[in-house]
Amino acid sequence: DTEVTQTPKHLVMGMTNKKSLKCEQHMGHRAMYWYKQKAKKPPELMFVYSYEKLSINESVPSRFSPECPNSSLLNLHLHALQPEDSALYLCASSQDSRGGGSDTQYFGPGTRLTVL
Amino acid sequence: GQQVMQIPQYQHVQEGEDFTTYCNSSTTLSNIQWYKQRPGGHPVFLIQLVKSGEVKKQKRLTFQFGEAKKNSSLHITATQTTDVGTYFCAGPDEDTDKLIFGTGTRLQVFP
Repeated sequence: DTEVTQTPKHLVMGMTNKKSLKCEQHMGHRAMYWYKQKAKKPPELMFVYSYEKLSINESVPSRFSPECPNSSLLNLHLHALQPEDSALYLCASSQDSRGGGSDTQYFGPGTRLTVL
Repeated sequence: GQQVMQIPQYQHVQEGEDFTTYCNSSTTLSNIQWYKQRPGGHPVFLIQLVKSGEVKKQKRLTFQFGEAKKNSSLHITATQTTDVGTYFCAGPDEDTDKLIFGTGTRLQVFP
């Protein structure tokens, strides 16, 4: 199974809402990632979890809060977002335990987020 | 910081024509990876090149890693409408090993 799943596919939220994005992989990968992608731009790394511990935080605002409950699951908690946070949020996983630059990354289908 | 640039930014071709995208890194890379993202889709891994001067083929796609390991290219022979999408190269940051994506080349194929 080389699939990474993400829910929900689409999310519309107001600036005062709290919501969560979910990601799951069953490939036994030890590194999981959150990326943000704006239209016509490459994915931008937000967070890296290695062996369920946060190893990289790319100076992401605190309104984004990641969580890794176990080796297969990754959540991204959202609170008090701004309209400019509207984007495609991609989850990925890889076997590598560092930043993932040496290993293939498997991406989920993404959550398309709109902040009103 | 490390930068990975791709040219062209956008190209449209007639079906059957060839297509090439070029990837240039500001630093030497230990490896280069290529991903394809269809419109409305997510990045999908295509290939990884590791050795200096390496050339790999996948059907109509030919990937090359430069001798200095700072550049790479993807060539598609006889494009088809199924080749439509954005092609990203990506390489690891030499200090943190984070995967740095190139700026991408968007390919449009007209039938």
